[in-house]
Amino acid sequence: AQSVTQLGSHVSVSEGALVLLRCNYSSSVPPYLFWYVQYPNQGLQLLLKYTSAATLVKGINGFEAEFKKSETSFHLTKPSAHMSDAAEYFCAVSDGGRIYFGSGTKLNVKP
Amino acid sequence: GAVVSQHPSWVICKSGTSVKIECRSLDFQATTMFWYRQFPKQSLMLMATSNEGSKATYEQGVEKDKFLINHASLTLSTLTVTSAHPEDSSFYICSARPLDRDYGYTFGSGTRLTVV
Repeated sequence: AQSVTQLGSHVSVSEGALVLLRCNYSSSVPPYLFWYVQYPNQGLQLLLKYTSAATLVKGINGFEAEFKKSETSFHLTKPSAHMSDAAEYFCAVSDGGRIYFGSGTKLNVKP
Repeated sequence: GAVVSQHPSWVICKSGTSVKIECRSLDFQATTMFWYRQFPKQSLMLMATSNEGSKATYEQGVEKDKFLINHASLTLSTLTVTSAHPEDSSFYICSARPLDRDYGYTFGSGTRLTVV
């Protein structure tokens, strides 16, 4: 069975500070891992995906995530937060079939 | 490429009526589409897997007679909320993946349903 756990339902950072959103996965097969962003009243937008190629994945808007098999983690980072990064972020795992989402982390960026 | 269009983006209906939500893959074909539901301040919950030409597969706890899914073609899946009640008010999102990919779902923009 596949599942993801996102630690921290709310994260608050100052503008210009490092963003770190945590995601741990559980998968019985080599997983595909994703990070999505959702702005209020909008659908999900794919930030980046891991598909068993490079372990460090770069996405849009300056985000990146590192796949660490030993830690079963896929944390999302951005070196310098921008006000426009304020949104809800979802980690997801797929075995190639269905996709399962974490509970989401709301990112607040303080000026 | 890989665009999914969902319509309508928002709808208000009266209790007891039915509402149909469409999910279209505009530039690709999809034998499988997924329907999700999102309650306020919560994550997406997979409701059902829509399979072209066959019955949908519903997740445990989802009433298949209430949430009718039809996937009549490779580019269209519909979700009909029958006899809607206020507790059905939610944000519904569909997703699909091109046939030639084994990753990378594209999501629709969502439908905000309000039942009054």
